[in-house]
Amino acid sequence: NAGVTQTPKFQVLKTGQSMTLQCAQDMNHEYMSWYRQDPGMGLRLIHYSVGAGITDQGEVPNGYNVSRSTTEDFPLRLLSAAPSQTSVYFCASRREVFGAEAFFGQGTRLTVV
Amino acid sequence: QQQVKQSPQSLIVQKGGISIINCAYENTAFDYFPWYQQFPGKGPALLIAIRPDVSEKKEGRFTISFNKSAKQFSLHIMDSQPGDSATYFCAAEMNRDDKIIFGKGTRLHILP
Repeated sequence: NAGVTQTPKFQVLKTGQSMTLQCAQDMNHEYMSWYRQDPGMGLRLIHYSVGAGITDQGEVPNGYNVSRSTTEDFPLRLLSAAPSQTSVYFCASRREVFGAEAFFGQGTRLTVV
Repeated sequence: QQQVKQSPQSLIVQKGGISIINCAYENTAFDYFPWYQQFPGKGPALLIAIRPDVSEKKEGRFTISFNKSAKQFSLHIMDSQPGDSATYFCAAEMNRDDKIIFGKGTRLHILP
C-alpha cells in the first residue's frame, strides 16, 4: 500500500527558481492538503482541496500555487523560491473533510539558498 | 492567531514514567480533537482522537483527558518507553470547516 507519496524527498533551490513538489495518493481520498513544518511553528496549512477542480488557501498561501486536476494528484508549485520557503513540506489526504484520519507523506525537505 | 496552544515545547521523561502534554483552545465550535505522533524523518500519523461528548479516551498506554468547560485537553502516556520518543501534535477541527488546526508540537524524549 503506497498511501501518500511525495517527491522529491530533498531539494536545494536557488533564490528565484521555480519548482513543483509532487504528491500522489492511491486511497481515492477527496480531501488533500499541503503543510509546511518549521521549528517551533508546528504544521501550517498552505493550500487544500476538497475534490478535483476545487482548491482553497490555507494559513500561509503566499508564494505557492496548487491545482487539482485528478483525485490522485495534488502538486504544489513554488513560483519564485525565497529563503523564507526553506522548510519541510508535507502532503496529506483523508477520506472526509471532518473527523477522519489524515494520512501524511514522508515529506520533502526544501532548502532555498 | 494561534487557535490551539500546546505545552510544553519539549519534555524529558524517565523510562516507565508518565508523559503529559497539554493543549488549550478558544473556539467552542471545535468538536473533534486528534493527536498526531511524528518520528524523525517521517510524516505525522494519527495516534488517538476524542470528541467533546466524552471526558476520557484510552487506547493502550495512551489516554486523552478532555475538559470541555476549561477548553483543555491532554495526552497522557503511561509507562513511557524510549520508542515513544517523538514529536506530538494536538489538533482541533470543527464540523463546518474543513481544516485541521495543529498545535506547535511537543518534542518528547524518553530516557532509557
